[in-house]
Amino acid sequence: GESVGLHLPTLSVQEGDNSIINCAYSNSASDYFIWYKQESGKGPQFIIDIRSNMDKRQGQRVTVLLNKTVKHLSLQIAATQPGDSAVYFCAENPRNYGQNFVFGPGTRLSVLP
Amino acid sequence: NAGVTQTPKFQVLKTGQSMTLQCAQDMNHEYMSWYRQDPGMGLRLIHYSVGAGITDQGEVPNGYNVSRSTTEDFPLRLLSAAPSQTSVYFCASSYSPQGYEQYFGPGTRLTVT
Repeated sequence: GESVGLHLPTLSVQEGDNSIINCAYSNSASDYFIWYKQESGKGPQFIIDIRSNMDKRQGQRVTVLLNKTVKHLSLQIAATQPGDSAVYFCAENPRNYGQNFVFGPGTRLSVLP
Repeated sequence: NAGVTQTPKFQVLKTGQSMTLQCAQDMNHEYMSWYRQDPGMGLRLIHYSVGAGITDQGEVPNGYNVSRSTTEDFPLRLLSAAPSQTSVYFCASSYSPQGYEQYFGPGTRLTVT
């Protein structure tokens, strides 16, 4: 079945360093991907998205890379700040599931002072 | 705009009890959905709606009912609560029928004893 997973459940980085959070997906028919940030006690918050016809998309301090050959997605956060500490989820739209998304289990990012 | 609101924030039920989790959005979004989030797992879709009067099942619909009588509201009903339904429940909405860039509510933490 479809699955979206993350290689690392936890990630610790020094403040100011760059962070890379990885995600693997299994459905090659997925055509749209989103990264969400979830702070403790809150709902997920949209960070950035990418369509399958793109390899890279940049936002403010964040970049998402998509490698369709190996079905891999990554989120890069530049100059990581304490406010970036959260759980990050990738989600894919497998198309054969209506308009809905399959979420990965999440990676907890901890920013060390 | 208040965005997506959910009530209650916390709830404890006994096995067999029923209750309704409320969700409302003031963004005039057509698409709304309910997810549950369990420890160490990503969000799993329970039910969704693409517009008033239209609902459909998600990945884990058993034990839950929904209805969509208005664009603004999308309540989730637990018919006969079970300990397996202990979870955090999130409601989400989006403007696009493709469900892109969903806005999430703050969540309801439900414990069934």
